[in-house]
Amino acid sequence: GAGVSQSPSNKVTEKGKDVELRCDPISGHTALYWYRQRLGQGLEFLIYFQGNSAPDKSGLPSDRFSAERTGESVSTLTIQRTQQEDSAVYLCASSSTGTRTDTQYFGPGTRLTVL
Amino acid sequence: AQSVTQLGSHVSVSEGALVLLRCNYSSSVPPYLFWYVQYPNQGLQLLLKYTSAATLVKGINGFEAEFKKSETSFHLTKPSAHMSDAAEYFCAVSSSGGSYIPTFGRGTSLIVHP
Repeated sequence: GAGVSQSPSNKVTEKGKDVELRCDPISGHTALYWYRQRLGQGLEFLIYFQGNSAPDKSGLPSDRFSAERTGESVSTLTIQRTQQEDSAVYLCASSSTGTRTDTQYFGPGTRLTVL
Repeated sequence: AQSVTQLGSHVSVSEGALVLLRCNYSSSVPPYLFWYVQYPNQGLQLLLKYTSAATLVKGINGFEAEFKKSETSFHLTKPSAHMSDAAEYFCAVSSSGGSYIPTFGRGTSLIVHP
């Protein structure tokens, strides 16, 4: 079946502009995660959605970052007033139940470059 | 609190040689441990995971890892490296009583020489 997809695959923007990144999880997966991967760094957790529960936003680095998810489907990550330090690969993952032992299925990522 | 340390940002081996990628974890409760692989321009995919059953876990592509509680380690091994194993490898930990969000290590880049 289809895996996790993300769009766009690459995004170049100017400092101060807003960007919106999209994630389509695997159908039926209740949990969805966003991560940021800076060059040479590990994955930095941003936000976690689980079903209809309130999202865990504890990883969002500033109030310029926000995300939403429609039911158990598409999610969008929005970065307002982008800064150069926002340049990174943004990864989305989904898992079937979101339990601690669950396997996460990752999308290919969106590479964001802020000039 | 949970954390994971991957020793060595780069590991270089010859084709056919043993692959050993190190991962040490810290967790105040029994951990669940994962190894993910990221091939160039692709998302991460699961290699194997430890969820408190057998301590020696076998994964895809001939990889395996052994959970050693006394050493707080979960090192990844493969007896014979193949050129196609060149990739970035991430160790991750979650905890039975902690956050649902796994903590990932910084990753180890495996380089395979012909």
